[in-house]
Amino acid sequence: RKEVEQDPGPFNVPEGATVAFNCTYSNSASQSFFWYRQDCRKEPKLLMSVYSSGNEDGRFTAQLNRASQYISLLIRDSKLSDSATYLCVVSRTGGFKTIFGAGTRLFVKA
Amino acid sequence: DTGVSQNPRHKITKRGQNVTFRCDPISEHNRLYWYRQTLGQGPEFLTYFQNEAQLEKSRLLSDRFSAERPKGSFSTLEIQRTEQGDSAMYLCASSPEPQGFSGANVLTFGAGSRLTVL
Repeated sequence: RKEVEQDPGPFNVPEGATVAFNCTYSNSASQSFFWYRQDCRKEPKLLMSVYSSGNEDGRFTAQLNRASQYISLLIRDSKLSDSATYLCVVSRTGGFKTIFGAGTRLFVKA
Repeated sequence: DTGVSQNPRHKITKRGQNVTFRCDPISEHNRLYWYRQTLGQGPEFLTYFQNEAQLEKSRLLSDRFSAERPKGSFSTLEIQRTEQGDSAMYLCASSPEPQGFSGANVLTFGAGSRLTVL
């Protein structure tokens, strides 16, 4: 079983739609959680950190459930520019080993 | 500072040849990571340095792979006797010392070095 698992998609949604991605992690020692975004043929870039109480950054909302070892990302009012692969990322205590999920592909269409 | 720099950006080699990739991290970052990414997959952890010390290596890193960070600044990743299965994007990332109790750290990636083994 992979340490971080994501639904690979792809998710095809119209502009303005709300879309949610889920991620589960297996190592209970995981301490820090993130969502990264990766555009086609580009390097991953941090989208947002995920905090225990949940957090929001504009149209993006991240949630963490430590008991279920589950992370989610909600995108509201999708834009064409949101089309990308979204990577769920977990890091163990001290941040030494940072593990990426396989990513979920999102296509937003006009 | 222009971010994380990787060279070469592309490398095409014949099976059995050795290749070396270089990574120059952000200057104030003491942590450096190497990942490998193939099409449709997320980055797979290969190894991690804190300053010049290599603290962890993945089981993915066979005996043909070696990484160094001799002065705690730039790093090299060498692949000996390349195989077609080594074809991938090799990503380097760096991060500063984590802040706060949780130890959360954010990785900044370079653009990667794409290896094609014929």
